[in-house]
Amino acid sequence: DVKVTQSSRYLVKRTGEKVFLECVQDMDHENMFWYRQDPGLGLRLIYFSYDVKMKEKGDIPEGYSVSREKKERFSLILESASTNQTSMYLCASSLGESGEKLFFGSGTQLSVL
Amino acid sequence: AQKITQTQPGMFVQEKEAVTLDCTYDTSDQSYGLFWYKQPSSGEMIFLIYQGSYDEQNATEGRYSLNFQKARKSANLVISASQLGDSAMYFCAMRPNFMTTDSWGKLQFGAGTQVVVTP
Repeated sequence: DVKVTQSSRYLVKRTGEKVFLECVQDMDHENMFWYRQDPGLGLRLIYFSYDVKMKEKGDIPEGYSVSREKKERFSLILESASTNQTSMYLCASSLGESGEKLFFGSGTQLSVL
Repeated sequence: AQKITQTQPGMFVQEKEAVTLDCTYDTSDQSYGLFWYKQPSSGEMIFLIYQGSYDEQNATEGRYSLNFQKARKSANLVISASQLGDSAMYFCAMRPNFMTTDSWGKLQFGAGTQVVVTP
């Protein structure tokens, strides 16, 4: 089975801190994604990557950056955390073929105080 | 603007009964894909079922079936014989224009429906 692992289940950070959310997948998937989940809004795409060192903006990239130095790892970076970035963050991966489903990690609940 | 609408924020269903979760979508694409995911309290999103816009048959996966009405732009999920373990948040999602590679994986999600199965 595909395994997508997010390094932390819960994180508490202070406003202005630099925050790293790490995601690792073990199935050699080309595509990786970061979504943000908020009540009443569903999931919204922040950034995605089709290949190593390649990134594309999603629907809400402001305040975030990403890094993909190795195929299996995709990091989400909050350069200066703000309270409105308190949310559940979900990482996902896929092979990228038509109809291919996403495999998700368990999520990181980030609280910015 | 959100293109996926799930009008039911929450619902209760009795064990062993069937339940229908509503989903409507908005797209001008001819080729698109529709997904349903389940999110239990553990947080992980679990893929349930997929329907391609050109698929003539409604998709089924075990106790899950997708009632796809293309003209109405509706993709309702039907769970038959509900079990206590079905209690979760359910999300409808769409991948627009799946014939282009840059849409792969870029799902748009609805707000979700919380289902509680009671004994």
